[in-house]
Amino acid sequence: DAGITQSPRYKITETGRQVTLMCHQTWSHSYMFWYRQDLGHGLRLIYYSAAADITDKGEVPDGYVVSRSKTENFPLTLESATRSQTSVYFCASYDSGGSDTQYFGPGTRLTVL
Amino acid sequence: SQQGEEDPQALSIQEGENATMNCSYKTSINNLQWYRQNSGRGLVHLILIRSNEREKHSGRLRVTLDTSKKSSSLLITASRAADTASYFCATRNSGNTPLVFGKGTRLSVIA
Repeated sequence: DAGITQSPRYKITETGRQVTLMCHQTWSHSYMFWYRQDLGHGLRLIYYSAAADITDKGEVPDGYVVSRSKTENFPLTLESATRSQTSVYFCASYDSGGSDTQYFGPGTRLTVL
Repeated sequence: SQQGEEDPQALSIQEGENATMNCSYKTSINNLQWYRQNSGRGLVHLILIRSNEREKHSGRLRVTLDTSKKSSSLLITASRAADTASYFCATRNSGNTPLVFGKGTRLSVIA
């Protein structure tokens, strides 16, 4: 299927565990992003990537690690999950040479107990 | 930090009425975009307005931009129950810098 997908859609984990959220896009967009969405804060940028092997910190990067070995994948890892990382996580992609529209995945709802 | 700030935070109207949402931002921008988010879903792009544009239309949507006041408004005309969603403005400062989103306006359209 064309588009941007995230997995898992729902995840419950415990404090201290490592969790990886997956993001895959089929358009070969150069840019990919990870946001978290919390009540009262809107969407906040965690990390983004301009191309394979190029990543940059966003507004709230602490506690998260990203990698981008292939253009189509942009996994987000919580190395040691904390309760404050309970949130809904959205992946997005954007074609820098295109319409400037950012496309979002359906989100992953993560609960850290 | 948040660049855009939507106002109001929540809006409830009757079907058929117009809905107006406002967005203020802090720094100069290349463009401003509006996105919609239905409950439990990802964001969907609605419309983009560039810094050298003052008004743009798309179907029942009308967006204005006032760069001197660093503000934008989104008007949805003849609203429908299906327009119930959260609406976010997002700004791009320059080039390929990431979009920065506001906190959103939650719109409820009552049938």
